[in-house]
Amino acid sequence: SQKIEQNSEALNIQEGKTATLTCNYTNYSPAYLQWYRQDPGRGPVFLLLIRENEKEKRKERLKVTFDTTLKQSLFHITASQPADSATYLCALLNSGYALNFGKGTSLLVTP
Amino acid sequence: DAGVIQSPRHEVTEMGQEVTLRCKPISGHNSLFWYRQTMMRGLELLIYFNNNVPIDDSGMPEDRFSAKMPNASFSTLKIQPSEPRDSAVYFCASRHWTGGLWVEQYFGPGTRLTVT
Repeated sequence: SQKIEQNSEALNIQEGKTATLTCNYTNYSPAYLQWYRQDPGRGPVFLLLIRENEKEKRKERLKVTFDTTLKQSLFHITASQPADSATYLCALLNSGYALNFGKGTSLLVTP
Repeated sequence: DAGVIQSPRHEVTEMGQEVTLRCKPISGHNSLFWYRQTMMRGLELLIYFNNNVPIDDSGMPEDRFSAKMPNASFSTLKIQPSEPRDSAVYFCASRHWTGGLWVEQYFGPGTRLTVT
């Protein structure tokens, strides 16, 4: 069956450090992978998309890598700030062209 | 645009009652999705529509759940009868789909359902 796995344990880091979140998947042949941010009490919000032929994608302090051989994506936030505290979800298209999501990893950035 | 609109934002009901959740997608979007989120199972896709037609309802947990999209600007998710295990946050999302593979989805604020 198709699976999207993200670290279930919350990630606590100090302000200014780099946060790295992991997304692993099985039984997908994704053309691309998406990352979303979810704040408490709100719906997920799209952050970044990376295509299978892109090794790395950057947007301001965000960097995403995509390794289709390892079936893994890494999501980095550099110079993290308390405002970056949220849950981050990765998502892949299923065979029906709808997005399936991982359970997300909670990030807490402390001053 | 106001974004995806969902109502109600909170619903508390007793077991056995009928519950109807409502969604208005972003104008111009032709795909609509219903998801359910719980701590245990995360964000699960229940059903999605393209051009008002249900494409995949394999995620609908049982016959107690039904969804309709009578027009491009309105969808409902109905649970009848409701059970305590249906308690969750239900999200509606929409996107503009032209067959391209890289299109993000826009989520509504969700409806928090509590069944006692």
